[in-house]
Amino acid sequence: TQLLEQSPQFLSIQEGENLTVYCNSSSVFSSLQWYRQEPGEGPVLLVTVVTGGEVKKLKRLTFQFGDARKDSSLHITAAQPGDTGLYLCAGDRDSNYQLIWGAGTKLIIKP
Amino acid sequence: NAGVTQTPKFQVLKTGQSMTLQCAQDMNHEYMSWYRQDPGMGLRLIHYSVGAGITDQGEVPNGYNVSRSTTEDFPLRLLSAAPSQTSVYFCASSYRGPPNEQFFGPGTRLTVL
Repeated sequence: TQLLEQSPQFLSIQEGENLTVYCNSSSVFSSLQWYRQEPGEGPVLLVTVVTGGEVKKLKRLTFQFGDARKDSSLHITAAQPGDTGLYLCAGDRDSNYQLIWGAGTKLIIKP
Repeated sequence: NAGVTQTPKFQVLKTGQSMTLQCAQDMNHEYMSWYRQDPGMGLRLIHYSVGAGITDQGEVPNGYNVSRSTTEDFPLRLLSAAPSQTSVYFCASSYRGPPNEQFFGPGTRLTVL
């Protein structure tokens, strides 16, 4: 059983559309991170959110941490082919040196 | 800076063989970790280290050994490979562990026949 559930598992949309992917848990996390992974490479950090209700923007990407610090969302506005990749969320609980990872959302943006 | 480097990039083993996956970082990070990535399961932590001489088990440690004799290097040893260990292996490092940014290597794709 995944402690962090990501949805959808797979999403294929046209360039220019908006989308939201989710990362949900029944557990509380002290912080949550989003990474993007491209084929044949390791994940790369996009953002870290640490405060319940926090919203962070990275150009066309908007990240939100739930008020109860159990869930997060990633919204992409006007998706571009360069946004294609595997989006992973990872949570930190009580600083025990172990990140909990979701299974990821595979995103394909078609030109 | 090279960041996090891993060797080899690809490896095929027969059941029962042993091998060492190499990982090195040049960022003077205290924390290093090994993950395996399998389809539909995300990243699972195998072992981690919070500094030279200190290692601990993660979620899936069975069948793997690690050591941390220097800050820079964190090798992962498979003592007797099994088909269930077929996976992509990633090494990562960070300044002092989560929630600090994890920097990942390019991965090693291992197939055990």
